[in-house]
Amino acid sequence: AQSVAQPEDQVNVAEGNPLTVKCTYSVSGNPYLFWYVQYPNRGLQFLLKYITGDNLVKGSYGFEAEFNKSQTSFHLKKPSALVSDSALYFCAVRIYNFNKFYFGSGTKLNVKP
Amino acid sequence: DSGVTQTPKHLITATGQRVTLRCSPRSGDLSVYWYQQSLDQGLQFLIQYYNGEERAKGNILERFSAQQFPDLHSELNLSSLELGDSALYFCASSGERFGDEQFFGPGTRLTVL
Repeated sequence: AQSVAQPEDQVNVAEGNPLTVKCTYSVSGNPYLFWYVQYPNRGLQFLLKYITGDNLVKGSYGFEAEFNKSQTSFHLKKPSALVSDSALYFCAVRIYNFNKFYFGSGTKLNVKP
Repeated sequence: DSGVTQTPKHLITATGQRVTLRCSPRSGDLSVYWYQQSLDQGLQFLIQYYNGEERAKGNILERFSAQQFPDLHSELNLSSLELGDSALYFCASSGERFGDEQFFGPGTRLTVL
């Protein structure tokens, strides 16, 4: 069965510090990986994706993520967190030639001033 | 603004009733996905349509049904509503390529009393 895991329900960081939100996946087939962010009472917004090529992908708002095939991970990172980054973050995977997107359970990021 | 519209924004109804949620995808997108987001179950994939045809099914109850019309808008029908159906219902659309990300609508908040 295909699955995506976000092992941390919540991540707390201080403003200005680097942040990491973890995502691991288990799929049979070539994965396409995505990160989305959800602000309160809003829909999910696309941040970045890995399809192929360079393992380090850069996205919106200064976020980046690294695809690690051997560890089946796609962690979201940002060098310097902002209070406005506080939100719910979802990792998602899609397998080539399959229609469904599989979402992780979400990680709440709290950035304290 | 993602370009995906959903109506209504809020819906309050009673147990046993039937409601219809509506979604219009981004211009040019043929795929529409429906998700349910509740506090205790995260983001659950319900169903996907592509150009009018059902393409993938997730954890959709038999009391729920969906369709996509020739103009590509989609409707999610929820019947015999129960208290546990109270949730945010999101629609998303995407392009045809497997690497295309999804664009989410603002959601419909359903409250069943």
